[in-house]
Amino acid sequence: DAGVIQSPRHEVTEMGQEVTLRCKPISGHDYLFWYRQTMMRGLELLIYFNNNVPIDDSGMPEDRFSAKMPNASFSTLKIQPSEPRDSAVYFCASSFGVGEKLFFGSGTQLSVL
Amino acid sequence: QKEVEQNSGPLSVPEGAIASLNCTYSDRGSQSFFWYRQYSGKSPELIMSIYSNGDKEDGRFTAQLNKASQYVSLLIRDSQPSDSATYLCAPRMDSSYKLIFGSGTRLLVRP
Repeated sequence: DAGVIQSPRHEVTEMGQEVTLRCKPISGHDYLFWYRQTMMRGLELLIYFNNNVPIDDSGMPEDRFSAKMPNASFSTLKIQPSEPRDSAVYFCASSFGVGEKLFFGSGTQLSVL
Repeated sequence: QKEVEQNSGPLSVPEGAIASLNCTYSDRGSQSFFWYRQYSGKSPELIMSIYSNGDKEDGRFTAQLNKASQYVSLLIRDSQPSDSATYLCAPRMDSSYKLIFGSGTRLLVRP
């Protein structure tokens, strides 16, 4: 298996633009997590899904952020409009059931100018 | 109070020494505890998990848990320069499956 695949690896955009981050979890995994990592705040959980259903989105910073999981093999995190403070590394991770191990993707480095 | 507290470091130890990384957590409902390692510019990867009070050993790594004190630690024996990374502590409430990560301790192993 190729692991969790995220795209793009790097995204540079201007303030006010829409940004869409993509994630393909490991086949067979039924939990998908979106995390954001910054120097100031560390690794923060934004939202997670179980069997494509959002379970907890309490970490989503504001209405500008939205996430979807239309099927078991694909999820998106959208920011509209983007702001400079959204600059961070966004990680997607997946796991199987209540399995202990989160498998992280390589992350998307987002820079909002 | 932060949910998970770790000393940011850097913790600098000589090669071959024991590195001791500590973590305290606030949520008494946490039942599972994980240590992730993150190399600079890379994604986190799981290195240890512990569920019961006491010690759990895996190779050069030992995780220690004291639920009464809300304290978990990671010991790395015979530290190698390749162990230089940031170590993230992550307790999880079994009722929610949410992993809350600490900000991490940066470890530097000097050759």
